Amino acid sequence: QKEVEQDPGPLSVPEGAIVSLNCTYSNSAFQYFMWYRQYSRKGPELLMYTYSSGNKEDGRFTAQVDKSSKYISLFIRDSQPSDSATYLCALMKTSYDKVIFGPGTSLSVIP
Amino acid sequence: EPEVTQTPSHQVTQMGQEVILRCVPISNHLYFYWYRQILGQKVEFLVSFYNNEISEKSEIFDDQFSVERPDGSNFTLKIRSTKLEDSAMYFCASSGTGENEAFFGQGTRLTVV
Repeated sequence: QKEVEQDPGPLSVPEGAIVSLNCTYSNSAFQYFMWYRQYSRKGPELLMYTYSSGNKEDGRFTAQVDKSSKYISLFIRDSQPSDSATYLCALMKTSYDKVIFGPGTSLSVIP
Repeated sequence: EPEVTQTPSHQVTQMGQEVILRCVPISNHLYFYWYRQILGQKVEFLVSFYNNEISEKSEIFDDQFSVERPDGSNFTLKIRSTKLEDSAMYFCASSGTGENEAFFGQGTRLTVV
């Protein structure tokens, strides 16, 4: 079983749609959960950061973590064409640890 | 807003040559990292650096690779004798001083020919 898995997509949605991106992991030692956005040939840009289970909201973005199921989600409300990118779930076991990335989900928001 | 900066943005080198990739982490950050992303693949950890020494390295980070913090602001990755399979995007990241999160630079695209 891979350490971190994501549906690779591509996911294509109309502008204004609600997008749900999901990620599963296998090691219960992960405690810090992030979502990064990556545009083509650019560096990962931190979107959301959460510690342990629960929800976190920031503008149009909501991150959910369920440690019991080893499942994390990112919801994007009122999606915009500028949201078109690859979304990487990322995990750490301890503070300042290396980040373990998922393979990413490619999202296209069609105007 | 503070950011991690990397130079050059693109470097082409001949197989067997040495390359140095440069990074200026966010000032007052204490933890520094290098990651690699081969085209079409996931971002992979190479090495972490804290208190002027390597704290962890992956199996990718073999004897051909080295890191250095030559002064108070720069953090470098050296590849001694490049191979074709070293062609990738290389990302520098930093974190610290109360911020757990790693902030990434825009990357250096290394092409080995």
